[in-house]
Amino acid sequence: GDSVTQMEGPVTLSEEACLTINCTYTATGYPSLFWYVQYPGEGLQLLLKATKADDKGSNKGFEATYRKETTSFHLEKGSVQVSDSAVYFCALSDALTGGGNKLTFGTGTQLKVEL
Amino acid sequence: NAGVTQTPKFQVLKTGQSMTLQCAQDMNHEYMSWYRQDPGMGLRLIHYSVGAGITDQGEVPNGYNVSRSTTEDFPLRLLSAAPSQTSVYFCASSYFGTGEETQYFGPGTRLLVL
Repeated sequence: GDSVTQMEGPVTLSEEACLTINCTYTATGYPSLFWYVQYPGEGLQLLLKATKADDKGSNKGFEATYRKETTSFHLEKGSVQVSDSAVYFCALSDALTGGGNKLTFGTGTQLKVEL
Repeated sequence: NAGVTQTPKFQVLKTGQSMTLQCAQDMNHEYMSWYRQDPGMGLRLIHYSVGAGITDQGEVPNGYNVSRSTTEDFPLRLLSAAPSQTSVYFCASSYFGTGEETQYFGPGTRLLVL
């Protein structure tokens, strides 16, 4: 079945440091890929997405590129801020397997940014 | 536009008690779903619905029932709560299509079963 693997946290960075959170996936078909973010005490919200190979999703300074050859969708940001502290989830949906809108999530990576 | 709302925010149950977690959305989304979030396991799909009157099981459906009588509402029922159901529950909604659609999540219900 479909699965998503992402690096374990917590990841602790100083403000203005570079961020990379690794995400790899296994899917039968051609999935859409997502990064969702969960701020403390809140529900998840979409950060960015990519729906086909080589697409780059971007939002709020975060970027991720859909790499079909390496089945990866790594999240990057050049300069993190304290306000980026949150849990980040990589996810996929795979319509080919009948999943439609069903999301398969990774385990989440907690990011802590310190001054 | 309230988005996705969930009630209650917190609930404590005793083993064997029943309860209903409420979820409502005002975006006219066809697709609604319930996830549970447990430490180290991410979010796992419990049940989902692609429209009023249509529901199906997700990855972890045992112990939970759902129904969808209207487009707006998608309640989750625990018929006989067990400690293993202690978790944070999230409802989500989206337009139904090819899977590219953004899912909108509610704020969550934190459930403790003693």
